[in-house]
Amino acid sequence: NAGVTQTPKFQVLKTGQSMTLQCAQDMNHEYMSWYRQDPGMGLRLIHYSVGAGITDQGEVPNGYNVSRSTTEDFPLRLLSAAPSQTSVYFCASSYSLEGHYGYTFGSGTRLTVV
Amino acid sequence: AQTVTQSQPEMSVQEAETVTLSCTYDTSESDYYLFWYKQPPSRQMILVIRQEAYKQQNATENRFSVNFQKAAKSFSLKISDSQLGDAAMYFCALSGTYKYIFGTGTRLKVLA
Repeated sequence: NAGVTQTPKFQVLKTGQSMTLQCAQDMNHEYMSWYRQDPGMGLRLIHYSVGAGITDQGEVPNGYNVSRSTTEDFPLRLLSAAPSQTSVYFCASSYSLEGHYGYTFGSGTRLTVV
Repeated sequence: AQTVTQSQPEMSVQEAETVTLSCTYDTSESDYYLFWYKQPPSRQMILVIRQEAYKQQNATENRFSVNFQKAAKSFSLKISDSQLGDAAMYFCALSGTYKYIFGTGTRLKVLA
C-alpha cells in the first residue's frame, strides 16, 4: 500500500534546464494536485486534476506544465528552471474532489535551482 | 477571497504540558472543512484532525482536539500531554474549490 509516491526526493538543476517531477498514487483517487512549499508562505497550489485528461491551473502555475493521461500518474514539468522555482514540491491526492476527508501527500521533492 | 492566518510562527511547550496553536480563517462558503496537518523534520505532511463546519461538536483525536468557533472564524488546535514526537511544523488548512488554502505554519518545539 504505497499511497502517493514522489520521485526524486532531491534534485539540483541549473538555470534553464528542464525536468519532470513524478507523482503516482495507487488508491484510485480522482483528484491529484501539486503544491509548492516556501518558507513563511505555507503551501500554494500549482496545478490540479479532477480526473484523467482534465487539468487546471492553481495559484502559481507559471513555469510549470502538467498532464494526466492515467488516473495513477500526475507528473509536473519544469520547462526552463529558474532560481525562483527553488522550493519543496508536494503531490497530493484525494478520494473526493472536494478533499473533505483530507489529502494524502507524497514525501516531497526538494528542488534547488542554481 | 479565502484566507487562513496562523499568527504564531513558533511555540514552545514543556513535555507533558498542554499547548494551543491558533488559526483564524475567512470564507464566504457555508459548507467547508478545516484541517490541521503536522509536518515533522521528515517533511511528510500528516493529517492530524479535521472539522466539518456544519458540525458544532469539536473534533478530537486522542491527545489532539480543536476549539472550533464558527462565528469568530477561529480553529485552534490543542495538544495535551505533549510528547517529544509532537515537535513539528503545524499547518492549518481550509477546503476551497478543488484546493486547500494553507496557513503559514507554526513551528512547535517540545522541551524535555
